[in-house]
Amino acid sequence: QVQLQESGPGLVKPSETLSLTCTVSGGSISGYYWSWIRQPPGKGLEWIGYIYYSGYTNYNPSLKSRVTLSVDTSKNQFSLKLSSVTAADTAVYYCARHVEAYGHFDYWGQGTLVTVSS
Amino acid sequence: DIQMTQSPSTLSASVGDRVTITCRASQSISSWLAWYQRKPGKAPKLLIYKASSLESGVPSRFSGSGSGTEFTLTISSLQPDDFATYYCQQYNSYLTFGGGTKVEIK
Repeated sequence: QVQLQESGPGLVKPSETLSLTCTVSGGSISGYYWSWIRQPPGKGLEWIGYIYYSGYTNYNPSLKSRVTLSVDTSKNQFSLKLSSVTAADTAVYYCARHVEAYGHFDYWGQGTLVTVSS
Repeated sequence: DIQMTQSPSTLSASVGDRVTITCRASQSISSWLAWYQRKPGKAPKLLIYKASSLESGVPSRFSGSGSGTEFTLTISSLQPDDFATYYCQQYNSYLTFGGGTKVEIK
């Protein structure tokens, strides 16, 4: 059974860079697309971007200027960096797998809360 | 962006009830729609993809229908394990989600 686990700091200061890693177990990262999705408190789910195992990326235009995704196939991990964060970036961040670039998500992580505060 | 609107936002129901959740797209998305169940502290779970295809292992009391701009998720007989929040997601153009429907105990 494929499992995804998000990890990273739960508190980030304004203007700094948020960094999260998703570790994939029970399956290979190869052959799939991997996304980050977030949900701010009281708001809806927002897709941040995806990375293919080969390293190809596609970002939500609303966040594109601040987002960088990367993948490490040797560790079965992929990562998110979101720069210049503000309180509006406070959210539960999820990682998820999809088979097609624009597709449904068949496996998700449990999510991790990241708070932006000084 | 394609906007997804779910209704209702909250639904109170009893065990055994038939429950229907609606999701409307701001433009046609063909059948490129998925439904998820989310419980607090747990990973969201895929229920339905391509509007009406049941994910493997999901109970048959869950069903999806619709195409174009209007879609429904139906739970034929609500079970105790089904009290959760449900989300729709379109994947016709980029990836966007509905606002969620919380199914709570009546």
